[in-house]
Amino acid sequence: KQEVTQIPAALSVPEGENLVLNCSFTDSAIYNLQWFRQDPGKGLTSLLLIQSSQREQTSGRLNASLDKSSGRSTLYIAASQPGDSATYLCAVPNTNAGKSTFGDGTTLTVKP
Amino acid sequence: NAGVTQTPKFRVLKTGQSMTLLCAQDMNHEYMYWYRQDPGMGLRLIHYSVGEGTTAKGEVPDGYNVSRLKKQNFLLGLESAAPSQTSVYFCASSFRTGISGANVLTFGAGSRLTVL
Repeated sequence: KQEVTQIPAALSVPEGENLVLNCSFTDSAIYNLQWFRQDPGKGLTSLLLIQSSQREQTSGRLNASLDKSSGRSTLYIAASQPGDSATYLCAVPNTNAGKSTFGDGTTLTVKP
Repeated sequence: NAGVTQTPKFRVLKTGQSMTLLCAQDMNHEYMYWYRQDPGMGLRLIHYSVGEGTTAKGEVPDGYNVSRLKKQNFLLGLESAAPSQTSVYFCASSFRTGISGANVLTFGAGSRLTVL
């Protein structure tokens, strides 16, 4: 059974800092890995999807990497802003019908 | 382009009442999912569907039923609501696994259900 772990559970940084969020998964037989952002009381917004054949994916100040062999993905946020404050979740689809296993998320607070 | 739409957004029920949550997507996705999100428990899959007319159980299916009579709609029913079903419910959809870029999950905004 796939297990997804995100460390740390919470992170607080001053504005302008570069930071890394971690996602670990136990079964490396994955199609892809997806990073989401969730604002309080809202739904999940997809940030980046990395295919299993890719090593990284970039969107603006966000860069996600994937190392299947070690079961790890990182989300790098450059020059953090208060508007980046949210919970970030990673999700790994299982091979059976694409059901995804989610990590519990990292709650990020960026202080002005 | 609406994406995934969930109705209602909020609902309060008494124990034993029934209700249906509706999820509609306009992206022609084959797969649809219902998740619940609880503090400290993360997102847990309730039921899912891989196509019109099909449904399957997820991690926590007890107390819920689903139907997918049309490709664009996925209904989640509670026949006899219990306080343990107080949660935020999210619907998601995706193309079927195997297509390039598949399984990009698109989520609805959520439905907050309180059972008294």
